[in-house]
Amino acid sequence: EPEVTQTPSHQVTQMGQEVILRCVPISNHLYFYWYRQILGQKVEFLVSFYNNEISEKSEIFDDQFSVERPDGSNFTLKIRSTKLEDSAMYFCASSRDIAYEQYFGPGTRLTVT
Amino acid sequence: AQTVTQSQPEMSVQEAETVTLSCTYDTSENNYYLFWYKQPPSRQMILVIRQEAYKQQNATENRFSVNFQKAAKSFSLKISDSQLGDTAMYFCASRNSGNTPLVFGKGTRLSVIA
Repeated sequence: EPEVTQTPSHQVTQMGQEVILRCVPISNHLYFYWYRQILGQKVEFLVSFYNNEISEKSEIFDDQFSVERPDGSNFTLKIRSTKLEDSAMYFCASSRDIAYEQYFGPGTRLTVT
Repeated sequence: AQTVTQSQPEMSVQEAETVTLSCTYDTSENNYYLFWYKQPPSRQMILVIRQEAYKQQNATENRFSVNFQKAAKSFSLKISDSQLGDTAMYFCASRNSGNTPLVFGKGTRLSVIA
């Protein structure tokens, strides 16, 4: 069964450094999302992406964040200058169509020290 | 704004018994979708069940079923014949129609006891 994959599973970085989180959505899916979950809290929406552009973004998704689909398979989330409060689990999700459910990847645990 | 409320932070159930997790939501839309996701200790988000708001029939998936009360904006999850592998955080989520993001509740931590 096709699934969303994410790399790396765990990333440790120093405050102020740039990180890129990678996702490979399910191949025939067209809608892509990033969510994050700070430890012990609920899952929060960051950004949605369709047709090579951002569809919607939350207030969390400020100028430090960017997303890109550099080729036909990868979907990346970049944090330009990480802060301690960026430490969280980051989930990528994809959906075949807006009427269908979103399938989540296993997540990348980002630790900022 | 869309909100999802899960009022039970933690619950426990004996193996083979039935448990119901509560969820209420609020939306101004008429067309929307509701979901339950399971998050085991591995922290992966796994879709358990979904319900379209326009469907009156409650969704079922094997041992998992929902009680969808549209007027009350309630969407509870019933797990029958609970198994040790059901131990996880359970998140209720909603999404309006269109290309819209999921809005999650705070989750209910379910422990299945042998």
